[in-house]
Amino acid sequence: EAQVTQNPRYLITVTGKKLTVTCSQNMNHEYMSWYRQDPGLGLRQIYYSMNVEVTDKGDVPEGYKVSRKEKRNFPLILESPSPNQTSLYFCASSLTRAGGPGEQYFGPGTRLTVT
Amino acid sequence: TQLLEQSPQFLSIQEGENLTVYCNSSSVFSSLQWYRQEPGEGPVLLVTVVTGGEVKKLKRLTFQFGDARKDSSLHITAAQPGDTGLYLCAGPSGTYKYIFGTGTRLKVLA
Repeated sequence: EAQVTQNPRYLITVTGKKLTVTCSQNMNHEYMSWYRQDPGLGLRQIYYSMNVEVTDKGDVPEGYKVSRKEKRNFPLILESPSPNQTSLYFCASSLTRAGGPGEQYFGPGTRLTVT
Repeated sequence: TQLLEQSPQFLSIQEGENLTVYCNSSSVFSSLQWYRQEPGEGPVLLVTVVTGGEVKKLKRLTFQFGDARKDSSLHITAAQPGDTGLYLCAGPSGTYKYIFGTGTRLKVLA
């Protein structure tokens, strides 16, 4: 089954404790991306990757890191989480369309709470 | 910076009514996508529009891309409770970024 998986689905942590949210897709998509969704602010792109070893900042990259060592995996790293990073996080992947991202296929989401 | 603004923000209607949701930008988009999102789940793709003036139908849902590729609309005919959800328009911004509209939260009452 074609899918994007994320782990964990739920995470409660404390300020400053490093964490990683994993993301994997089995559709051989070049493009992968992380979003956060907050009430009243909608879905905002954190980081994206056009292909292996190619990553760049989205609109809200502060406090996050990513890596793309393999095509299927795109982990999101919070080196020192803070309460303002409490949010619902989505990973997504897509084929490229006309050189840019196409239709996004989303994972089930990770609800992160930082106390 | 490209922005996508949706209207209305909230919509509560009775089953059987028709409705239209709008997605507007001052910038040209190479394509636009529409998604529907249920609470606690990721958005699910409904349709992609690419050509200016394009109209696509998905059962009771009709999607239109503006001639200038700066706006799009979603029309639902005879809405049903199962149509309840958050509707999002989205598209590629610049070369590699991807942005979402502000969203329209639809509630269809039985």
